[in-house]
Amino acid sequence: NAGVTQTPKFQVLKTGQSMTLQCAQDMNHEYMSWYRQDPGMGLRLIHYSVGAGITDQGEVPNGYNVSRSTTEDFPLRLLSAAPSQTSVYFCASSRLGQGISGANVLTFGAGSRLTVL
Amino acid sequence: AQTVTQSQPEMSVQEAETVTLSCTYDTSESDYYLFWYKQPPSRQMILVIRQEAYKQQNATENRFSVNFQKAAKSFSLKISDSQLGDAAMYFCAYRRTGNQFYFGTGTSLTVIP
Repeated sequence: NAGVTQTPKFQVLKTGQSMTLQCAQDMNHEYMSWYRQDPGMGLRLIHYSVGAGITDQGEVPNGYNVSRSTTEDFPLRLLSAAPSQTSVYFCASSRLGQGISGANVLTFGAGSRLTVL
Repeated sequence: AQTVTQSQPEMSVQEAETVTLSCTYDTSESDYYLFWYKQPPSRQMILVIRQEAYKQQNATENRFSVNFQKAAKSFSLKISDSQLGDAAMYFCAYRRTGNQFYFGTGTSLTVIP
């Protein structure tokens, strides 16, 4: 099992450029989410999905789009990058439902460091 | 909205000693889950320990244990016999019904040889 795979690991963009951060999981998790991590701010939820075709906004959704066409994939799109979007991005997934067995706990990807100049 | 507060941006501990990291949270729910995650310099997020709110017994995982005070909405992490490999950023997290997780701002732990 690869777990949660994020690509790319590093990316430098110019202001106004667009890009997509890819996220794929092979654990058949219903729930997938994107976080951004900034110094002193912890991890903040951008968007999440509870299944194919279903997405919703988190705490900081502005400037980001997501889609969930399959259970496995949950890409994050920046349509017009801004310097404020310089951050480390994490994709994470889990099973849905109550309980905190191993499958109900968030499994994280390795993170993607994005710099917007 | 749920909030998670970690009031200690940085902590240090001597190797082999014990350290406690603090976490408080705000919620109106009665059924929820709490976690501590560790982030070493590799940036990978690693689950340290988990706690169900309905369980009064504090969770333990080897050298890691929690002090869960539901009425006080407090969830501290105790690391015993600290090792150099424990040096990392530690995040407290709250999971509500519906699976949304909320994270604190983190505590950077330094282990002094």
